[in-house]
Amino acid sequence: QQQVKQSPQSLIVQKGGISIINCAYENTAFDYFPWYQQFPGKGPALLIAIRPDVSEKKEGRFTISFNKSAKQFSLHIMDSQPGDSATYFCAARLDSGTYKYIFGTGTRLKVLA
Amino acid sequence: DAGVTQSPTHLIKTRGQQVTLRCSPKSGHDTVSWYQQALGQGPQFIFQYYEEEERQRGNFPDRFSGHQYPNYSSELNVNALLLGDSALYLCASSASPSPYGYTFGSGTRLTVV
Repeated sequence: QQQVKQSPQSLIVQKGGISIINCAYENTAFDYFPWYQQFPGKGPALLIAIRPDVSEKKEGRFTISFNKSAKQFSLHIMDSQPGDSATYFCAARLDSGTYKYIFGTGTRLKVLA
Repeated sequence: DAGVTQSPTHLIKTRGQQVTLRCSPKSGHDTVSWYQQALGQGPQFIFQYYEEEERQRGNFPDRFSGHQYPNYSSELNVNALLLGDSALYLCASSASPSPYGYTFGSGTRLTVV
């Protein structure tokens, strides 16, 4: 199964709150899990990424939590800001040789000022 | 240092026509992948080029073809355009091997009427 299921489809958070976006996968051949941020009219930009042998990775206000046994991973945005309002995509790399990525369907985040 | 450059930014074509989209990868990158992003959806993998060869292909018909030149730039060609081909076409470059994922361009918005 090459799908990556992402939820929620949309999310509204107050400024300063925590935004949480979840993804789930089936294929154990996935070996790298990045998150991308996309603003309207722009291409996706790499935000943060994790390998399946690590349970958590933090970069500034952004944290990925990874649960290998449950085949789930999530993005946490701490102290969410209006500038974080964008669409977020999780992705999974199918194998390290070809760098083919499978993307989730996206989460549209709106942070209220 | 320029990132990934795509041209044109917008394009309107008539059903049945052919279109060529162009991509210049980020400096130092030798691998180019093309993705189709329908409105409100995540990017879908079309194919990937490395060393001027199509290395892997997604679930897209033969109407979609590509090319990579010795300078690593790439083209995506779509023949016999259908209304359903209307989408944002994203080019992503990477360096082989690289753990850092793709760098995406801003895309070409193709509208088929």
